[in-house]
Amino acid sequence: QVTLNESGPVLVKPTETLTLTCTVSGFSLSDTRMGVSWIRQSPGKAPEWLANIFSNDEKAYNTSLRTRLTISRDASKSQVVLTMTTMDPVDTATYYCVRIQVMILDFYMDVWGKGTPVTVSS
Amino acid sequence: SLELTQPPSVSVSPGQTATISCSGERLGTKYVCWFQQKAGQSPFLLIYQDKERPSGIPERFSGSNSGNTATLTISGTQAMDEADYFCQAWDGSVVFGGGTKLTVL
Repeated sequence: QVTLNESGPVLVKPTETLTLTCTVSGFSLSDTRMGVSWIRQSPGKAPEWLANIFSNDEKAYNTSLRTRLTISRDASKSQVVLTMTTMDPVDTATYYCVRIQVMILDFYMDVWGKGTPVTVSS
Repeated sequence: SLELTQPPSVSVSPGQTATISCSGERLGTKYVCWFQQKAGQSPFLLIYQDKERPSGIPERFSGSNSGNTATLTISGTQAMDEADYFCQAWDGSVVFGGGTKLTVL
């Protein structure tokens, strides 16, 4: 059974750095057919993609947030970490970790974690 | 950059067919996914690569994509299908539509 579990602080202060960890099970981060994505969703809004990371360590970022984001992985721990700097109240959202299935000319996101809520407030 | 437009809401009677559209420039040249999200839950993959259903997804969910519009069709809509639906495509970045709230009256 594939699961992804997000963990991190529930509350961060403005200007602080957010660090979120995704621990996966049921698949390997070294599998060339797999990757992991971070996506966030504010209440009542559509999901917003943040970043992807793949087994070859290839990374991709939302261009509008690129300067604030860093994604990394530790396959031995089955973990993917996302850091986001200079947090602001508009970054308040539920943050999801999502598995990516890699195809020849495409990829798609198939299994979502339960999400972790993050509030930015002083 | 690619923008995906969905109707904010769609209503359907039980047993009828619901169609949810997703429009974007030359969307038919890209693969589209559809996600269902029920209240308080994570999004759930319904359709990938325009029309493929993951294992376990009922046949009443189908997808198509051509020109500038992708469509999610739900045949024989059930009360349990009431949810938010999001389309998603990749254009160098992962892009989501604004979502459609499906109401089963």
